Amino acid sequence: ARLVESGGGLVQPGGSLRLSCSGFEFAFSSHHMHWVRQTPGKGLEYVSGIVIRGDNRIYSDSVKGRFTVSRDNYRNILDLQMSNLRVEDTALYHCVREEVGNWKPFDLWGQGTLVTVSS
Amino acid sequence: EIVLTQSPGTQSSFPGERATLSCRASQSVNGDYLAWYQQRPGQAPRLLIYGAFRRATGIPDKFRGSGSGTDFTLTINRLESEDFAIYYCQYYGSSPQTFGQGTKVEIK
Repeated sequence: ARLVESGGGLVQPGGSLRLSCSGFEFAFSSHHMHWVRQTPGKGLEYVSGIVIRGDNRIYSDSVKGRFTVSRDNYRNILDLQMSNLRVEDTALYHCVREEVGNWKPFDLWGQGTLVTVSS
Repeated sequence: EIVLTQSPGTQSSFPGERATLSCRASQSVNGDYLAWYQQRPGQAPRLLIYGAFRRATGIPDKFRGSGSGTDFTLTINRLESEDFAIYYCQYYGSSPQTFGQGTKVEIK
């Protein structure tokens, strides 16, 4: 099983970016999925999550109203649409799988895709 | 929101020694939802411990989690080169999930 992120890059403050994550060799549609970002100074920070059917989504206060998470269980893809980006959104963004069930730990992590917000 | 504070920030130890890492919650939490992750340089985090003391698949018994309420501990026995890494605790029993800031275990 593995997760592969894509879509990172350099963007100016106020700009937008769409991250994608593909899941391979596991039952993607059986897992809640999440995004967690990482910076050298702040460590791991929870960003967003979406339940199996996609009808419930969670956002941290720092990204609420600017980021939108979605999923496509037919193509095994998790997306994160990021808008109105800020310098402080600069981070390595990991796609993360939650163990099967509810309120479970994160048992599979992608290597991450780097987002740099700078003018 | 539950805040997790890890200490020390950096733990310097010799190979073969034991390391004891702390994770303190800002309020009492259910240990059924407390996890520890290891992140080696250049790698993604991996799950070590869940439910405060249960080892994830493939994790050797040199890693031991313990604690309850507000105080949780990860003990690493007989440190080997591959154990020198950053360790994070996480509470996944509420939304949004929260992480501690991490403890770096480095070679002395």
